[in-house]
Amino acid sequence: DTGVSQDPRHKITKRGQNVTFRCDPISEHNRLYWYRQTLGQGPEFLTYFQNEAQLEKSRLLSDRFSAERPKGSFSTLEIQRTEQGDSAMYLCASSLSSGRFGPDTQYFGPGTRLTVL
Amino acid sequence: AQSVTQLDSQVPVFEEAPVELRCNYSSSVSVYLFWYVQYPNQGLQLLLKYLSGSTLVESINGFEAEFNKSQTSFHLRKPSVHISDTAEYFCAVSGTGGYQKVTFGTGTKLQVIP
Repeated sequence: DTGVSQDPRHKITKRGQNVTFRCDPISEHNRLYWYRQTLGQGPEFLTYFQNEAQLEKSRLLSDRFSAERPKGSFSTLEIQRTEQGDSAMYLCASSLSSGRFGPDTQYFGPGTRLTVL
Repeated sequence: AQSVTQLDSQVPVFEEAPVELRCNYSSSVSVYLFWYVQYPNQGLQLLLKYLSGSTLVESINGFEAEFNKSQTSFHLRKPSVHISDTAEYFCAVSGTGGYQKVTFGTGTKLQVIP
């Protein structure tokens, strides 16, 4: 168990460019989440997958954002036509839905820091 | 919908002194409550959680938090802090029915002074 990994750790891009981030969850975790964290704020929920199905999307996820989890394992988050306001830390988390009482424990990756110039 | 308020953005405290990090939540339904910790250059880690039962929950490294329904609070405490406790602490809340997304507070930076 190597934990949740994210790639790249840092990304600098120019406004208007497209960027794609990757998240590799803990193996066998069936749930995967994306969050965005800006300076001075806590993580804000973006979207959630159960296996390959995207079950919930935040209104924060505009049509420039798209996330996929094609085989129910790794996930990608793509931002098209980046804007300066997209600069943030993008966090991925995964969990195992065990069906037992209580919420899943979400395990977070180290994040991808995006800077849009 | 739920929300979380962490009024203190930074809390400096001397080593071996006690500390309390405040968290208040707002919700119209039953909640689960969490504290996460983020050490420098690391990902968020779950520190402790309240689901039901005893209102006092503890972590393995000496932190504890008490769920107070009447005051809608879930303050985090430690009787004696160490340098290694320097980190950012996030309070979070979720609803209890089925899958519920987690809503985080803005975080409190705990700075332990030698």
